[in-house]
Parts: sequence; structure tokens; C-alpha cells
Amino acid sequence: GNSVTQMEGPVTLSEEAFLTINCTYTATGYPSLFWYVQYPGEGLQLLLKATKADDKGSNKGFEATYRKETTSFHLEKGSVQVSDSAVYFCALRLGGYNKLIFGAGTRLAVHP
Amino acid sequence: EAGVAQSPRYKIIEKRQSVAFWCNPISGHATLYWYQQILGQGPKLLIQFQNNGVVDDSQLPKDRFSAERLKGVDSTLKIQPAKLEDSAVYLCASSFVPGLRDDEQFFGPGTRLTVL
Repeated sequence: GNSVTQMEGPVTLSEEAFLTINCTYTATGYPSLFWYVQYPGEGLQLLLKATKADDKGSNKGFEATYRKETTSFHLEKGSVQVSDSAVYFCALRLGGYNKLIFGAGTRLAVHP
Repeated sequence: EAGVAQSPRYKIIEKRQSVAFWCNPISGHATLYWYQQILGQGPKLLIQFQNNGVVDDSQLPKDRFSAERLKGVDSTLKIQPAKLEDSAVYLCASSFVPGLRDDEQFFGPGTRLTVL
């Protein structure tokens, strides 16, 4: 079946550290891939996306590259800030009716 | 542009009681989604509407959950009777046109349900 696996959290970093959150997927067909972020007390927000292999999504200093050969979409940021503290969800979407399949989420805590 | 609105934000009930959640999507969005997010898990799609019609309810526990979208705008999700395992955050989302690879889903703040 179609599924998304994320690294378990929490991930705890100091400000300005490098961030990687791993995400791998299993899918029939060719999915689009997404990272969503959920800040405390807020709803899910789209962070970035990639719709085909080798595409790189980027936003707010975050990047992720769609790697078909390794079925991965790892999230990276070169220098995290305290304001990046949130829960990050990797998701895939197959064609048709736009259904999203989410991973379990990874909590990131950034300390000054 | 106003976002997706949901109410109530929090609800506490006892098992076997009934509860209803309300969602108002972004104006003009044809597609509306209800997700269940259990603590420590990612959101799981319960039901998807396109305008008034249901296009996917394969993961909706139909013996206790029901949903409707009158006039293709607002939607309500009902649980009757509730079980302990229904404790979760219920998220509503909307999107403009399904099937487009660039069609983004916009999420509301969610309703946190606690069943005692």
C-alpha cells in the first residue's frame, strides 16, 4: 500500500544548527511529495512540495529533493531558528482526487 | 482571504454521547476534506467531498460517523455514539479544484475531541 515513514522525534537542536528530517515513501505510481508544518496552536501549513523526480522544493530556507531512486524526500535547513520549532509532516499525494497520505510527524525543538 | 474555519475548537464528552463539528471552507473551494489526527500520528483522511458529493469515504467508520455538506459549502461531521478511541483532533481542509498537481489543501485549526 501507499505509506510515508518519517524519522522519530523529538529532534532537539541549538539555534543555527543544521537540520535533516528523513522521509521515505512507498507508493504505486508517481506521487507528488509534500512537507507540512504545524506550529503550536495553529493548523497545518504547506511548507514545500515537489511533483516529479529530481524536483527540489524550497521555502523559508528549507529544502527537499524528490529522490525516486531512494524513494526519499528528506527535509533540510542550513541554520535553524527558535521560530522553526514545530511538528513537521511528510506527505504524498497520488493522482485522482488529491488524497494526502501523511507520515507520523517529527517534532523539532530549537533552543537559543 | 479568510482561512478555513472550524468550531468548536475543543470538546469534551463522555463515551456513548454524540458530538458534531462544523467547518466553513475557503470561499470558492469546491473540495472539502475531513481528517482525523490521533495523538502521535499523522492526519488520516476520513471523507472527501467535491461540491455536494462524496468522492472518498473509504476510511470513515460509517457505523458511528456521518458527514454532510449542504449546498456545497459548509460541512458537519458527526459521531454517534462516541468511543474512547475517537479522541483526536479533527481537521477540515479545502482546495480549489482536485486533480491538479498544484492544487493545495488549506487546513483549519482543528477541533480537539476528548472522549472520557
